Amino acid sequence: DVKVTQSSRYLVKRTGEKVFLECVQDMDHENMFWYRQDPGLGLRLIYFSYDVKMKEKGDIPEGYSVSREKKERFSLILESASTNQTSMYLCASSSNNLHPYEQYFGPGTRLTVT
Amino acid sequence: KQEVTQIPAALSVPEGENLVLNCSFTDSAIYNLQWFRQDPGKGLTSLLLIQSSQREQTSGRLNASLDKSSGRSTLYIAASQPGDSATYLCAVRPNLDSGTYKYIFGTGTRLKVLA
Repeated sequence: DVKVTQSSRYLVKRTGEKVFLECVQDMDHENMFWYRQDPGLGLRLIYFSYDVKMKEKGDIPEGYSVSREKKERFSLILESASTNQTSMYLCASSSNNLHPYEQYFGPGTRLTVT
Repeated sequence: KQEVTQIPAALSVPEGENLVLNCSFTDSAIYNLQWFRQDPGKGLTSLLLIQSSQREQTSGRLNASLDKSSGRSTLYIAASQPGDSATYLCAVRPNLDSGTYKYIFGTGTRLKVLA
């Protein structure tokens, strides 16, 4: 079974703090994704990575950065958290080979910025 | 630009009913379509994935169909149960030669099955 884990289920941070969200997958997937999900807006892609050290911007990259130093780990960084980044953050991964491009999601991190 | 629509946004049915959830997409150049379930406050769980060359996939009481030419997919749930209550989302992955890795999601149908 594919397993995607996220470092925290719930996180409360203050405005201006630097925030790290970690995602780890155990299936040797090439592709990893960070989404945010807000009521009425659905899932929006922030960044994705198709290989170690490779990244591409999604639809809403402003205010975020990412790091992928190892294949299994994809980190989302909020450089200076703001209240409009309060959201549910979802990490996903997919393979280019086995079950091609089927996405597997982590449990999500509910981030509140006060 | 690919757009994915799910109608209705919400649905309530009595337990035991068979039901159909709809997913429409505007560009038929897709590689696959995936159906997910999301419980409140949780991540997405993959239910079924249909490759563009397939017409349908089945898993237990769930059956998903795909009609690429009309830009439609349906998720059929047989003999619904209160435990099926959740939000159901569909997502399409564009063709491999589209130059993008992005998946495009619908906004979901919130299903409530009444005991």
